[in-house]
Amino acid sequence: QKEVEQNSGPLSVPEGAIASLNCTYSDRVSQSFFWYRQYSGKSPELIMSIYSNGDKEDGRFTAQLNKASQYVSLLIRDSQPSDSATYLCADYNAGNMLTFGGGTRLMVKP
Amino acid sequence: SQTIHQWPATLVQPVGSPLSLECTVEGTSNPNLYWYRQAAGRGLQLLFYSVGIGQISSEVPQNLSASRPQDRQFILSSKKLLLSDSGFYLCAWSVSDNNQPQHFGDGTRLSIL
Repeated sequence: QKEVEQNSGPLSVPEGAIASLNCTYSDRVSQSFFWYRQYSGKSPELIMSIYSNGDKEDGRFTAQLNKASQYVSLLIRDSQPSDSATYLCADYNAGNMLTFGGGTRLMVKP
Repeated sequence: SQTIHQWPATLVQPVGSPLSLECTVEGTSNPNLYWYRQAAGRGLQLLFYSVGIGQISSEVPQNLSASRPQDRQFILSSKKLLLSDSGFYLCAWSVSDNNQPQHFGDGTRLSIL
């Protein structure tokens, strides 16, 4: 069973700080990785895609991928209370199915 | 641009009643379509996916079924609901190319009484 692991949290950070969300995956052949944000009671929303080793930046969000360590992370700079949500990591495994982690709950305190 | 519609937004059904949830996608052709369930405080569980009309793959054996009567329409059904069917049901689509992200509808919150 190919897995994607995330710390369930909650991860609590003060407003304006950098929030660091981490994810590990077990399938060495995974090629594509995604971060979704899910507000309470709402559906997941895609916020970042990353396909290559290194960093990918989009506004306040930076996704980092390290295929050798099977590790992907999401950094949120200048965290805002509106960033408080559950963040889901997902990857496409060898069976071409998207596998989701259990999510990390982020709380940004004013 | 592509949009995905899912209805109803909320549904309260008695145990043993039938179910029909519908999902449609606009602005794309031949999408891959997916049904997920999310129990309260839990992760996403893939129920069914479809790569084309009439093609349904089931990931979890249960009393639910899915159908894809048209290219951009995906239906989740049950003949008799169980208490354990309560949850947040999400439809998603992706382009048919490999390794592309999935995009979710707004979801249906189903409560079984």
